[in-house]
Amino acid sequence: GNSVTQMEGPVTLSEEAFLTINCTYTATGYPSLFWYVQYPGEGLQLLLKATKADDKGSNKGFEATYRKETTSFHLEKGSVQVSDSAVYFCAFGGTSYGKLTFGQGTILTVHP
Amino acid sequence: NAGVTQTPKFQVLKTGQSMTLQCAQDMNHNSMYWYRQDPGMGLRLIYYSASEGTTDKGEVPNGYNVSRLNKREFSLRLESAAPSQTSVYFCASSEYGQSVAYNEQYFGPGTRLTVT
Repeated sequence: GNSVTQMEGPVTLSEEAFLTINCTYTATGYPSLFWYVQYPGEGLQLLLKATKADDKGSNKGFEATYRKETTSFHLEKGSVQVSDSAVYFCAFGGTSYGKLTFGQGTILTVHP
Repeated sequence: NAGVTQTPKFQVLKTGQSMTLQCAQDMNHNSMYWYRQDPGMGLRLIYYSASEGTTDKGEVPNGYNVSRLNKREFSLRLESAAPSQTSVYFCASSEYGQSVAYNEQYFGPGTRLTVT
């Protein structure tokens, strides 16, 4: 069945370090792919998205490229900040009534 | 433009009590969703409503009921709360359409529910 596998956390980095959070998916067809971010005590916010193969989504210095050949959508940022500390969720969606399938989330903590 | 709102923010119930979680969106979206979030489990879909007047079960519907009151509002009811329903509940909405580009969902701030 459809599923998303995220890199297990938690991930702890120093400010200005390079970030990668791995995400791979199993799905039929060609789903849209998303990264959502959840700051402490808040709901999820869309961070970036890609709707077809080789698309690159980007926002706030974060990037992810839709790789159909490896069924992956890894999240990267060149230099993290303390304010990036949050939980990051990978998700994909097909055409079934707009439903999304989420990964289990990766907790990121950035220290000064 | 408030987006997606949820009430209450926090709730403590005793086993066997009932309650309704309220959700409303002001973005004129067709589709609405209820999720629960548990540590290490990500978000799991409880119920969804593809459009006004329709509701369908998601991944974990047992112990819950929903009502799509109108296009704006989608409520989640726990008829007889159990400790296993202790969780954070999120409502979301999206402009579902024929294109996969319409899968983006907008989330409310969540309701933290504890059942003792």
